Amino acid sequence: DAKTTQPPSMDCAEGRAANLPCNHSTISGNEYVYWYRQIHSQGPQYIIHGLKNNETNEMASLIITEDRKSSTLILPHATLRDTAVYYCIVRGNTDKLIFGTGTRLQVFP
Amino acid sequence: ETGVTQTPRHLVMGMTNKKSLKCEQHLGHNAMYWYKQSAKKPLELMFVYNFKEQTENNSVPSRFSPECPNSSHLFLHLHTLQPEDSALYLCASSPAAGGPSNEQYFGPGTRLTVT
Repeated sequence: DAKTTQPPSMDCAEGRAANLPCNHSTISGNEYVYWYRQIHSQGPQYIIHGLKNNETNEMASLIITEDRKSSTLILPHATLRDTAVYYCIVRGNTDKLIFGTGTRLQVFP
Repeated sequence: ETGVTQTPRHLVMGMTNKKSLKCEQHLGHNAMYWYKQSAKKPLELMFVYNFKEQTENNSVPSRFSPECPNSSHLFLHLHTLQPEDSALYLCASSPAAGGPSNEQYFGPGTRLTVT
């Protein structure tokens, strides 16, 4: 599976949009981009995934560039409860979710 | 609440004890997974079960023994563990194993401490 690169930490003001970037320049054609988050000492929570089209659900939006080498997770109106570590994972035809170090998002009042 | 429950949430055991972790999913999924998350290390996949059959064992020591009696239940039997086995053990489920579009839903984990 392709490797991903994320900034180690980001801050966001409550009520603002949080835009979390991810680079996956070695992604191959059948690999999906997944986003999970983990709030301290809890299990990871699935957020969203996509292949090449932009995706939106009740939690977030996923914007994937046309060349698929990077993506951005958007939390449209961040709340304090969105403070967590966010993981961008590229996954092909395997059950392995390879979690890197992720981005620690701190939402402040 | 993800539909995946784990018990116990916390467990302290000695190196000579035998204990079991339990996972149950209420999502109608057919695949279940055990992961280990140690301090300062990324999540590591341990075992995969698909339709009750083990399909993946990532070189896990034999002191960890999984059991999947049906698609809704998964156990991890523990015996003669070492202190370095102390970690958060996470269970996950998905509609089926394999395939690139197959999101996994995680339970809250069992925090295991081996003394």
